[in-house]
Amino acid sequence: NAGVTQTPKFQVLKTGQSMTLQCAQDMNHEYMSWYRQDPGMGLRLIHYSVGAGITDQGEVPNGYNVSRSTTEDFPLRLLSAAPSQTSVYFCASSLRGGAVWEKLFFGSGTQLSVL
Amino acid sequence: AQTVTQSQPEMSVQEAETVTLSCTYDTSESDYYLFWYKQPPSRQMILVIRQEAYKQQNATENRFSVNFQKAAKSFSLKISDSQLGDAAMYFCAYRSNNQGGKLIFGQGTELSVKP
Repeated sequence: NAGVTQTPKFQVLKTGQSMTLQCAQDMNHEYMSWYRQDPGMGLRLIHYSVGAGITDQGEVPNGYNVSRSTTEDFPLRLLSAAPSQTSVYFCASSLRGGAVWEKLFFGSGTQLSVL
Repeated sequence: AQTVTQSQPEMSVQEAETVTLSCTYDTSESDYYLFWYKQPPSRQMILVIRQEAYKQQNATENRFSVNFQKAAKSFSLKISDSQLGDAAMYFCAYRSNNQGGKLIFGQGTELSVKP
């Protein structure tokens, strides 16, 4: 019962470095999304996807890229890391195209620090 | 734009007592869902309870219940018979059909439970 798997769990980057946060789900979910969590601000949506080959921007997309080549995977890429991207990142998925009533399944998060 | 506000950054409750966490939201839409998520120190996001906006009856899940006041745009969470395991960060969240599956989170309330 893997659910939503995020790797790595912790990462430290230097300003300007690039990296990819991995997210995989084994529930055949169509909908996948990335959130970032910052103290006092709750979670905010970065990007989301309603199916393979389809992605769209959320509330805070700047500095992040995504792609969805398979149903299972939804990686989040930081092209040139900045200290403002220090945060906890969550991947979440649900069965269909983000239908409002559906439960979101969250991964366990990635703690990212950019120095 | 929709917003969710949790005005209590921290709350404390004695074990076995009852506590209520407040949440207000702002929207012009009529079809939406409201959620409470629990985030323990493990960082995992756990769905506690959800409420459909078109249902007048308040949702309940064992010791957790909500007081949904649609006209007042209020959605509070009541935890009865509080247990030490209830200590966590609690997030109120809003989701509508017109938001691409986006969850809009409040700032969170840190609940501590005293033995």
